[in-house]
Amino acid sequence: QQQVKQSPQSLIVQKGGISIINCAYENTAFDYFPWYQQFPGKGPALLIAIRPDVSEKKEGRFTISFNKSAKQFSLHIMDSQPGDSATYFCAASMLSNFGNEKLTFGTGTRLTIIP
Amino acid sequence: AAGVIQSPRHLIKEKRETATLKCYPIPRHDTVYWYQQGPGQDPQFLISFYEKMQSDKGSIPDRFSAQQFSDYHSELNMSSLELGDSALYFCASSSAGRELFFGEGSRLTVL
Repeated sequence: QQQVKQSPQSLIVQKGGISIINCAYENTAFDYFPWYQQFPGKGPALLIAIRPDVSEKKEGRFTISFNKSAKQFSLHIMDSQPGDSATYFCAASMLSNFGNEKLTFGTGTRLTIIP
Repeated sequence: AAGVIQSPRHLIKEKRETATLKCYPIPRHDTVYWYQQGPGQDPQFLISFYEKMQSDKGSIPDRFSAQQFSDYHSELNMSSLELGDSALYFCASSSAGRELFFGEGSRLTVL
């Protein structure tokens, strides 16, 4: 059972366009929602993260929108560039009893930016 | 800046063999996590350590074991390897904040 559902599975966007990836979660105990970017053969790297008390967070061309009541959040990439072509994972996390992150990933979106 | 170091980067083993992966966290990071990522899949949490003690356990098979040593490096030991164990294995480390820093992974191929 996938606790974090992510869509679309793949996305093709023209250079300069807006890339939008959506995620939904069920467990209201999640309290931290990061997005990771992964290039082929590399480890995931944190792109941007949000907490549920904030509805939007923007860092450069990347924006997370968060809808707590709908249990949904999304990543918007403005002015998409070929260098943004990668796999993007949303995630939801909560702290364990030991204070460690219990990170649950979405299924990933393969983003391709075409010239 | 120093990152998480994993070795080996690539490993090829036969079925029923044993493999050991190593992870060197970022200096002063006290928590280490191990994840397994199958082809085209999302990373799945295996196990974590905080201050050299096992903290949380995920979907780690009984054939696998891990530990964190006094210098904070961690090793993932995998025995009786199966074809389905072929995957990318990531180590991540963290300190006081909530961000996990991932290494570049070790690609295990079981033939």
